Amino acid sequence: QQPVQSPQAVILREGEDAVINCSSSKALYSVHWYRQKHGEAPVFLMILLKGGEQKGHEKISASFNEKKQQSSLYLTASQLSYSGTYFCGTQRPGNKLTFGGGTRVLVKP
Amino acid sequence: NAGVTQTPKFRILKIGQSMTLQCTQDMNHNYMYWYRQDPGMGLKLIYYSVGAGITDKGEVPNGYNVSRSTTEDFPLRLELAAPSQTSVYFCASSYAPLAPYEQYFGPGTRLTVT
Repeated sequence: QQPVQSPQAVILREGEDAVINCSSSKALYSVHWYRQKHGEAPVFLMILLKGGEQKGHEKISASFNEKKQQSSLYLTASQLSYSGTYFCGTQRPGNKLTFGGGTRVLVKP
Repeated sequence: NAGVTQTPKFRILKIGQSMTLQCTQDMNHNYMYWYRQDPGMGLKLIYYSVGAGITDKGEVPNGYNVSRSTTEDFPLRLELAAPSQTSVYFCASSYAPLAPYEQYFGPGTRLTVT
C-alpha cells in the first residue's frame, strides 16, 4: 500500500525550514528518502530503520516513529539546491519499496 | 563506474508497436528494478529481478515483459504499445533488497505512445 506524503507542495525562502511527512498504515521495516530534480533520476538521501533512528544528509535530517509508522524529513536552513521533489519509499519486512506520491519543494531566493 | 545506464533517452512509438528499453549496471548488483513514473506522480514498480534468470512482477506488470540473462542487463519489453504506457521509465539496482541498501537509479527513458 502506497505511503501518504504531506504536504503535497511547499514553497520556502532561502534559509527557512520545512518538514515533510510520510505515513503508512502498515508496520514498516525501513523508510527511504530520495530527491528528484526536474527531468532527472531520483537520488538517494538516506535510509531509516525501525527503532526511531535519526539520520542526516547536509542540513537535511529525518526521523522514524515506529509507533506511528511515520517518518519525517526536516529541511533546515534551506538552500536553493534543495528544490526538487522528495519521495519517501516504505519497506515492509520482506517486501519491495513502495513510493509515496512525492512532495514538491521550491526554495526561492 | 558508470552506475546504471539506460537507452534510449527518448522514444516515440505508435500504438501497437513494440520496443525494448535497455538497462545495464556495472556495480555487480544482484537486484534490479523497473519503475514507471507518470507526470507529477510517484514511482510504480513494474518488474524486478533478484538475480540472473529470476524475475517477478511488481505493482503494474500488465503490458510489459522482462528477462535477466546476465547480472548486468535487465531489458524491459513493451508489446503492443498503448497511450496508457506513455511515461518515464526508470531502471534501478541495489546490492540487496532490504535496507540499509539504497537503490541506484538510471537517467530514465521518456516514452510517448501516440
